[in-house]
Amino acid sequence: SSELTQDPAVSVALGQTVTITCQGDSLRKYYASWFQQKPGQAPVLVIYGKNNRPSGIPDRFSGSSSGNTASLTITGAQAEDETDYYCNSRDRSGNYWVFGGGTKLTVL
Amino acid sequence: EVQLVESGGDLVQPGGSLRLSCAASGFTFSTYWMSWVRQAPGKGLEWVANINQDGSEKYYVDSVKGRFTISRDNAKNSLYLQMNSLRAEDTAVYYCAKEIRTFGGVIDRFDYWGQGTLVTVSS
Repeated sequence: SSELTQDPAVSVALGQTVTITCQGDSLRKYYASWFQQKPGQAPVLVIYGKNNRPSGIPDRFSGSSSGNTASLTITGAQAEDETDYYCNSRDRSGNYWVFGGGTKLTVL
Repeated sequence: EVQLVESGGDLVQPGGSLRLSCAASGFTFSTYWMSWVRQAPGKGLEWVANINQDGSEKYYVDSVKGRFTISRDNAKNSLYLQMNSLRAEDTAVYYCAKEIRTFGGVIDRFDYWGQGTLVTVSS
């Protein structure tokens, strides 16, 4: 079982704001990374650290963290944002990596 | 441009072996930790193993300990995963991923991934 917990599915109306959350004890020490994965493709890093976006990631993606919960927010969701999102961080020992179970985002 | 290209995936019988390779380019391979991450069909991502820059440190998820071995050849800019005693539950797309390590590990992350190679374990 994953040490990071995500809601399996979330929906948002086109153009509205949605937050996807990730919970786990390791998040009290380590920041989460967030990956977007479209069908048949490799995951793409969209947010890391406190709130950092790699080059090329739209600024509608943002991240935050509080206690044992990390959040990915999409402000003004677009149709192309409809896909799977995974959080990821170190485990509590710091020697291993863990992923959340993934959240399927539907844009209505 | 960073590129990671996996190869070696195949159909293999339960109990069989397979060796995956990942060819790296576009960065100084010998200075980064590298990982293997897998994804079973229709399932989520699962970290499998990683290795430090000179191969002296290796870590594995419990489910593959004793069966899988990660290694690297810095002269060839290549990462490997030797998989023995394969089980049906090892069926997945296997990705290699480049790690970014930071002081204290607080914002470590995977910044680049390959496109993956499919391993199918079935009789």
